[in-house]
Amino acid sequence: KAGVTQTPRYLIKTRGQQVTLSCSPISGHRSVSWYQQTPGQGLQFLFEYFSETQRNKGNFPGRFSGRQFSNSRSEMNVSTLELGDSALYLCASSIGRDRESYEQYFGPGTRLTVT
Amino acid sequence: QKEVEQDPGPLSVPEGAIVSLNCTYSNSAFQYFMWYRQYSRKGPELLMYTYSSGNKEDGRFTAQVDKSSKYISLFIRDSQPSDSATYLCAMSDYGGATNKLIFGTGTLLAVQP
Repeated sequence: KAGVTQTPRYLIKTRGQQVTLSCSPISGHRSVSWYQQTPGQGLQFLFEYFSETQRNKGNFPGRFSGRQFSNSRSEMNVSTLELGDSALYLCASSIGRDRESYEQYFGPGTRLTVT
Repeated sequence: QKEVEQDPGPLSVPEGAIVSLNCTYSNSAFQYFMWYRQYSRKGPELLMYTYSSGNKEDGRFTAQVDKSSKYISLFIRDSQPSDSATYLCAMSDYGGATNKLIFGTGTLLAVQP
């Protein structure tokens, strides 16, 4: 079974620009979560989508947004990029339906550099 | 104070040693506990998943959860150089049917051949 895939793997953007990252979950998984990983803050939860609905959102500004499509693929968007947005953005998928299916599997991440 | 505390290390051990990695937490609502391994410039890889208290064993890895002490551990037996990575603990209460994970900062482990 194929794992979680994320595209692109690397991105370099300039301050003020916007960026869209994509995540394809494991087949059959309906929950997709996004995390930001930085050396200073570690892994921080951005938001989670289940069946095209946002179930939870972390403490990030409104510049960070996401969506999920009917095939469970998800995108996240960051507008008006700031230098501090430079990070590894990780996507995790799970079946997300009941207690026994909450294991989350991560993709390789998208490394975003803002200059 | 962070919800999840984890010693960042680095922890250096000789090959074949038993490694003990630990996390403490403050939120008594946490019921689901995970350990991830992350190699440099890669995504985290799920190693162990435990619900509530108790022990779980998988090959060379054993996860322990003590909810009364709010303390979780991961033991690695017969450690190998290929185990050198950052180990992250993560936990959730899954209240409201959400998959939000709270992570520790990670412990960097180096197994010397």
